[in-house]
Amino acid sequence: SAVISQKPSRDICQRGTSLTIQCQVDSQVTMMFWYRQQPGQSLTLIATANQGSEATYESGFVIDKFPISRPNLTFSTLTVSNMSPEDSSIYLCSVLGADSETEAFFGQGTRLTVV
Amino acid sequence: GQNIDQPTEMTATEGAIVQINCTYQTSGFNGLFWYQQHAGEAPTFLSYNVLDGLEEKGRFSSFLSRSKGYSYLLLKELQMKDSASYLCAGALSGNTPLVFGKGTRLSVIA
Repeated sequence: SAVISQKPSRDICQRGTSLTIQCQVDSQVTMMFWYRQQPGQSLTLIATANQGSEATYESGFVIDKFPISRPNLTFSTLTVSNMSPEDSSIYLCSVLGADSETEAFFGQGTRLTVV
Repeated sequence: GQNIDQPTEMTATEGAIVQINCTYQTSGFNGLFWYQQHAGEAPTFLSYNVLDGLEEKGRFSSFLSRSKGYSYLLLKELQMKDSASYLCAGALSGNTPLVFGKGTRLSVIA
């Protein structure tokens, strides 16, 4: 299994500002994923963070709005830029299990409220 | 494309059995997962089926039929703490992110 430390756990931000969310994994992993979960909804994949290359974004998500860093195999950040109330969500980082490469583990999530 | 369907909400009585269904329309799924998510918390892994049939793990069991694109999660001897959302998710292949259904919110009542 993998243990993921994600922070901050929650934040309240002013519109127009940016917030950077950090995820630290206790082991080296190839893939790290960032999800958004809007209130009452399921998880939507934002992007796949690759070490040594640019992140791969899903349809509807762009790098200017959600820049991602992946400096090494245990760490990644997601920035929510120029925030608006519509960005209020839970943001989750996730990794695949090292052994099976199939099971996904999640950080504790960051509950973001934009006012 | 990928499409995963599951009921939005279910209610069941403490001590009873409940079955949460999940259907998917996609090709190339390499396994079907079930996650539990309590309000305000991250999802936690419950089960993984890659072959057809029933996988039992304590009070929870999961079933998969690949030919029918169908899975279910069976919860026995329901407890109040089982009140949560249950997410069905599929993996296309190793090293790809999971695709999640919208989740089923289960309420266990006395």
